[in-house]
Amino acid sequence: EVQVVEHGGGLVQPGGSLRLSCVASGFTFNNYWMHWVRQAPGKGLVWVSRINSDSTSSSYADSVKGRFTISRDNAKNTLYLQLNTLRAEDTAVYHCASSGHYSMDPFDIWGQGTMVTVSS
Amino acid sequence: EIVMTQSPATLSVSPGERATLSCRAGQSVSSNLVWYQQKPGQAPRLLIYGASTRATGIPARFSGSGSGTEFTLTISSLQSEDFAVYFCQQYNNWPQTFGQGTKLEIK
Repeated sequence: EVQVVEHGGGLVQPGGSLRLSCVASGFTFNNYWMHWVRQAPGKGLVWVSRINSDSTSSSYADSVKGRFTISRDNAKNTLYLQLNTLRAEDTAVYHCASSGHYSMDPFDIWGQGTMVTVSS
Repeated sequence: EIVMTQSPATLSVSPGERATLSCRAGQSVSSNLVWYQQKPGQAPRLLIYGASTRATGIPARFSGSGSGTEFTLTISSLQSEDFAVYFCQQYNNWPQTFGQGTKLEIK
């Protein structure tokens, strides 16, 4: 079965850090672009970051640039997102998703997400 | 970045009836438009890509149309499992951007 499962969410204070992970199975993870997309409570989906198959290229939304870092370990079929200097507005469900061989293709694999709550 | 606007925010339709959801792009995205379905607590599910091509396993009652800046998702005869939130997304320009969603609820 093709799936991705996110882990690592939780409650963190403003200014704190968290590392999210996304474990993939059922597809050739090391060939695909991977992304993080977040969804604030009751709101729409917002693209956060992407990384190519061999980690030589990555991009970020302006709202998280300099604070979040995306990475991957192809040997472990795992995608990561390091969240630093967290703000209340970073509170959201964080989904990992894949766009296949091309960064600008639709996201055809999604996880259910992991909730990050930034609050004192 | 391209702003995607969906309407209406909420649509109330009876089972068996037709539902029409709209998505407008702030500038042309050609046919690089997808529709996703999302149910509470679940991952988004790809329904339509290329504005009008159904993804694998998607029933024929789902259809997409449009190009440029105006797009429509039509569900021809609503089934109970179709009541959910629907998002459009453009993948023509980086960054990919999403609409705010249309909640399809039972009338």
